Order: sequence, then structure tokens, then C-alpha cells
Amino acid sequence: KAGVTQTPRYLIKTRGQQVTLSCSPISGHRSVSWYQQTPGQGLQFLFEYFSETQRNKGNFPGRFSGRQFSNSRSEMNVSTLELGDSALYLCASSPGDKGVYGYTFGSGTRLTVV
Amino acid sequence: QKEVEQNSGPLSVPEGAIASLNCTYSDRGSQSFFWYRQYSGKSPELIMSIYSNGDKEDGRFTAQLNKASQYVSLLIRDSQPSDSATYLCAVKAGGGADGLTFGKGTHLIIQP
Repeated sequence: KAGVTQTPRYLIKTRGQQVTLSCSPISGHRSVSWYQQTPGQGLQFLFEYFSETQRNKGNFPGRFSGRQFSNSRSEMNVSTLELGDSALYLCASSPGDKGVYGYTFGSGTRLTVV
Repeated sequence: QKEVEQNSGPLSVPEGAIASLNCTYSDRGSQSFFWYRQYSGKSPELIMSIYSNGDKEDGRFTAQLNKASQYVSLLIRDSQPSDSATYLCAVKAGGGADGLTFGKGTHLIIQP
């Protein structure tokens, strides 16, 4: 069974640009969530989707957005990139609603903003 | 603000001994509790989940939950060098709100 797939693995962007990251959940998983991991702040929740609806959003500015498609694949977008957006972005999927059974993480996308 | 606290370590344990990792959380409404293992440069891997007070065992791992004390722990028996990693405690509120809140992790070193 394939795991959570994130693309691309690495990205280098310039300040002010925008970026789109992609996530394909485990087959059959309908809940997808996104996290940002930095050395200083650790893992922080960005948002969660279930059946194409955003269920929850973390404490991040509106420059961070996402969506989920009918096949459960998800994308997140960051506009007007700032140096502080450099981080590992992790996508996670869960079999049920609300993630009560835990989340399986993908390998992440390492974003560097220069 | 929901918080999850862990001792950052490093926690050094001899091979074959029991490693004990602890976590406290602030939100009394939390319903689901998870332990993730993260090797350097890799993504977190779910190793244990626990939902009710008491102990839950899975192989060499035992998770313990005490909701009255807002405390979660992970015991690793017969520690192996391959257990050396950062262990992240994660908590989810009841009703599915707010995603997972993670602690900053405990760096565990198993000494051969």
C-alpha cells in the first residue's frame, strides 16, 4: 500500500514569490492535514481537510491556503513568500474524520526561501 | 492556548534498559494522544496511540495515559541503538478541533 506522497521534495524560491505543494494521501484516506516544521517552533498545524472541506485552520496568516480535490489529493499554497517561511512542510492523512485514529505523514517538502 | 510539554533532552539510556519519555498537556478536553518517532532528516512515524486512561502495550512500547494529571508517557523496553531518535508527543482535542498539537520532542540516545 503506497504511503503519503508529497511533491516536490525540495524547493528553492525567492522572497515574494508563491509556491504550491502537493500531497496524495494513502488510498482510502479522506482526511488530509498540513503541518509546518521548523527547528525553533517544532511542528505546527496549518489546516485540515475532509471531503474537500476545510475543517480546521491553525494560527497562520492568510498567505497560507489549501484545498482538497474530490480524489482526496490536496495542495497548499503560500503566496508572497517570506524568509521565515523556510521550513519542512508535512502532509498527513488519516482514514477517518477528525483524525482520531492518528495520522500518517509523508516525507515532506523542504522549502527554502532566499 | 493549547500546549504540549516535553523535556527536550537529550535523554541517554544504555542499550537493553528501559527508556521513559514523558509529556504533559494543557487542554483538559484532549481526547486522543499519540507518540511519533522522528529520525534525523525524516518525517514523523506513528508508533503508539492511546485514548483512555491506563496502559497500552505494543511490542516493546507501552503508552500510559493519566487524564486527571494530564500526563502521557512512553516506555521503550529493551532499548536498541535503532531507537535513537526524537520522540514527539501529539495531542488532539475532542470534537476534532485544531488538528494535532505537538510537543517539541525528546531526543533519545541509546548508548551501545
